[in-house]
Amino acid sequence: GENVEQHPSTLSVQEGDSAVIKCTYSDSASNYFPWYKQELGKGPQLIIDIRSNVGEKKDQRIAVTLNKTAKHFSLHITETQPEDSAVYFCAAQKSGDKIIFGKGTRLHILP
Amino acid sequence: GAGVSQSPSNKVTEKGKDVELRCDPISGHTALYWYRQSLGQGLEFLIYFQGNSAPDKSGLPSDRFSAERTGGSVSTLTIQRTQQEDSAVYLCASSLFGVAGAPPDTQYFGPGTRLTVL
Repeated sequence: GENVEQHPSTLSVQEGDSAVIKCTYSDSASNYFPWYKQELGKGPQLIIDIRSNVGEKKDQRIAVTLNKTAKHFSLHITETQPEDSAVYFCAAQKSGDKIIFGKGTRLHILP
Repeated sequence: GAGVSQSPSNKVTEKGKDVELRCDPISGHTALYWYRQSLGQGLEFLIYFQGNSAPDKSGLPSDRFSAERTGGSVSTLTIQRTQQEDSAVYLCASSLFGVAGAPPDTQYFGPGTRLTVL
C-alpha cells in the first residue's frame, strides 16, 4: 500500500525566512496531494493541494511542487510569520483508496 | 457555511466507563472519517463511512471501538470499557464524495474531541 514519508519532523526558521517541508510517496498511482496545517488545540485545516496533472501551485506565500518521476512533493512557505507556527501534514491519495498522511512537521518561527 | 462539528470538545472519564463521541459532518457530504491523534503524534485512521455503510473499519484498534452513522449524517464513535491508552484527540472529517469519488476529494476536519481516561 501507499507509504508517505515526511521530513523534517521539526523545523525552526527565523521570521521572514523561507521554510520547506518535503514528502515522498511510494505509490505512483497517487494523484492527489493535500497539505494541512494544525494549530494547537484545533483540527487540521487544508492550506493547499495539488493534483498529479500539474507540477506547481501557488497561493500567496504558500506553494507546493510535485515531482511525479521522483515521487516527491514539497511545501514552500515564504516570508514566514509568527502565525505560521504549527504542525504541517502532507498526504497522498489515489482514486478509489483512502488518504495516507505523513507523520507531520512541527514548524517554529523564531522572532 | 458550517463546517464539521464535534461534541463534546473535551471528555474526562474513568477507566472502564463507556464514552460516545459525536460528529456532525458538513451538510451534503456523503463520506465521513474518524481518526485518532495521540499527543504530538500523527493521524491514525480508524474508520470510514460512505453514506451509512462502513466499507473500511480496518483502523479500529480493538472490539471495544465501534461507530455508526445514521441518516447519512451524524456519526457516533463509541469506546467501551475505556483504557488509559485510549486517551487521545479523536478527529472527524467529511468529504463530498469519499473514497469512491474519482478523482479524490478534499477532507475537511472538525476541531476534535480530547478524551482523557483517568
